[in-house]
Amino acid sequence: ELKVEQNPLFLSMQEGKNYTIYCNYSTTSDRLYWYRQDPGKSLESLFVLLSNGAVKQEGRLMASLDTKARLSTLHITAAVHDLSATYFCAVDFSGGGGSQGNLIFGKGTKLSVKP
Amino acid sequence: GEEVAQTPKHLVRGEGQKAKLYCAPIKGHSYVFWYQQVLKNEFKFLISFQNENVFDETGMPKERFSAKCLPNSPCSLEIQATKLEDSAVYFCASSQGTEQYFGPGTRLTVT
Repeated sequence: ELKVEQNPLFLSMQEGKNYTIYCNYSTTSDRLYWYRQDPGKSLESLFVLLSNGAVKQEGRLMASLDTKARLSTLHITAAVHDLSATYFCAVDFSGGGGSQGNLIFGKGTKLSVKP
Repeated sequence: GEEVAQTPKHLVRGEGQKAKLYCAPIKGHSYVFWYQQVLKNEFKFLISFQNENVFDETGMPKERFSAKCLPNSPCSLEIQATKLEDSAVYFCASSQGTEQYFGPGTRLTVT
């Protein structure tokens, strides 16, 4: 079965603190995506990770992919209130090769950053 | 266009009525995907198209759901005889390569 598991599902942080969200997936893939969703809004693409060892950073967020461990992490540095949102990881298990498969999503991590 | 467009934004239907949702992918994108997001935030893949051809329909509840992507027309997702459990936000995404770009969604409420 193709599964994507995120943890934690809920995360309450204080401003200025660091934390990591984990995304495990069930079988081989080298296409992993992180999205942000604000309440009532669509998905905003944060990171596209396409190879083992890929690391990408944007502002206070950094994402990495370990395809051998089937694990991706989203690290938050010095959190600010504006980062409050739900974060989803999603995996394309189709195997690539020029085609585009559907995404299997994790259940999302609801992040709340408090002053 | 440069963004995925979805209409309508909101749709309310009585149980048993038909619902039809539309999606205009980003110009030049050959893949279109439909996803359903239910109240618990969980996403479920429904169907994908490569141009006007069904690419993957493994997520579609075939007895009531159908979808089309015809040339020079918005793609559509139709639900015949809606049920209460069809209440969700339906997202369309398009792609030309590795990344999927999501539309704003259509919120369907079945009463």
